Amino acid sequence: EAQVTQNPRYLITVTGKKLTVTCSQNMNHEYMSWYRQDPGLGLRQIYYSMNVEVTDKGDVPEGYKVSRKEKRNFPLILESPSPNQTSLYFCASSLRRTGFNNTEAFFGQGTRLTVV
Amino acid sequence: KNQVEQSPQSLIILEGKNCTLQCNYTVSPFSNLRWYKQDTGRGPVSLTIMTFSENTKSNGRYTATLDADTKQSSLHITASQLSDSASYICVVRGGGGFKTIFGAGTRLFVKA
Repeated sequence: EAQVTQNPRYLITVTGKKLTVTCSQNMNHEYMSWYRQDPGLGLRQIYYSMNVEVTDKGDVPEGYKVSRKEKRNFPLILESPSPNQTSLYFCASSLRRTGFNNTEAFFGQGTRLTVV
Repeated sequence: KNQVEQSPQSLIILEGKNCTLQCNYTVSPFSNLRWYKQDTGRGPVSLTIMTFSENTKSNGRYTATLDADTKQSSLHITASQLSDSASYICVVRGGGGFKTIFGAGTRLFVKA
């Protein structure tokens, strides 16, 4: 089954404790991205990757890091989480960059992160 | 500024009724517009996508329209079902650098 898998689904952590949210897709997609979703603001892009070893900042990259060592994996790293990073996070992938050639974006199930 | 605005913010309808959700955008240049359905606690799922030359696209009971001149889109849901209860997100691709801009969504509640 074609899917984007995020782990963990839920995470509560303390300020400053480094954490990683994993994202894996099994569709051989080139393009992957991370979003955060906050009430009333809609989805905002954090980072994206056009292909292996190619990553770039989205609209709200501060406080986050990513890596793309393999095509299927795109982990999101919070080196020193803060309470304002409490949010619902989604990983997404598409064959190419969403919109180019109108390829569909597949989203993961989400990770609800709480930083206390 | 490239923006996507959706209305209403939330909507309650009775099962079996029709409804229409609105999306206005100021994104330029325009590439495409997509409607997503997001069930509570789950990731968004694409319903329809339209480019500049398309003014209507259907997916079962969902019909999206696009007026690229007025920069407006609507999503019409026919004969609503309880399972239609979800958030519906309008997403526009375009602007300088071909950004993906998300609306805040319309929360639809379908009651029995």
